[in-house]
Amino acid sequence: RKEVEQDPGPFNVPEGATVAFNCTYSNSASQSFFWYRQDCRKEPKLLMSVYSSGNEDGRFTAQLNRASQYISLLIRDSKLSDSATYLCVVNTNAGKSTFGDGTTLTVKP
Amino acid sequence: GAGVSQSPRYKVAKRGQDVALRCDPISGHVSLFWYQQALGQGPEFLTYFQNEAQLDKSGLPSDRFFAERPEGSVSTLKIQRTQQEDSAVYLCASSLGTSRIETQYFGPGTRLLVL
Repeated sequence: RKEVEQDPGPFNVPEGATVAFNCTYSNSASQSFFWYRQDCRKEPKLLMSVYSSGNEDGRFTAQLNRASQYISLLIRDSKLSDSATYLCVVNTNAGKSTFGDGTTLTVKP
Repeated sequence: GAGVSQSPRYKVAKRGQDVALRCDPISGHVSLFWYQQALGQGPEFLTYFQNEAQLDKSGLPSDRFFAERPEGSVSTLKIQRTQQEDSAVYLCASSLGTSRIETQYFGPGTRLLVL
């Protein structure tokens, strides 16, 4: 079993839809959490950090449930430009990040 | 400003050949990471440097893999006697400090194909 697990998708949604991605992690010592976005054949880029209280950045909302070791990302009012792979990332210490295999989103007109 | 750069961007190697992959982190970034990303998977951690010190090399898959950052800036990942299973994208990332909440900035990667 992988340390960080994500539903690979693909998620195919129409423009304007709301879509949610989930991620579970197995290491209870995990300290910090992130969502990265990776476009096809490009490098990952930070989308947002995930805080214990939950946080929102425009159309994006991230939630953390430490008891269930679960992270989520909600995208509202999907745009064509949101099409990408979304990577869940978990850090147990300063030096090591563990990535999920990503969830692929395709937003269609 | 300049981001993380990597060279070469593409490398084709014959099985058994040695390769060296270079990473130039963002100037002043203390932390440097190497990852291996196979097709359809997320990046897998290889090794981590804090300045010139290699603090974690637990992800290096075999003793054919070696990384260094001798002056605390540029880093080189060397793969000896390449095998077909080494074919992947090798990503380098850097971050400003050493905190676990630091953002990692990734380079464009080196796409290695071993024939």
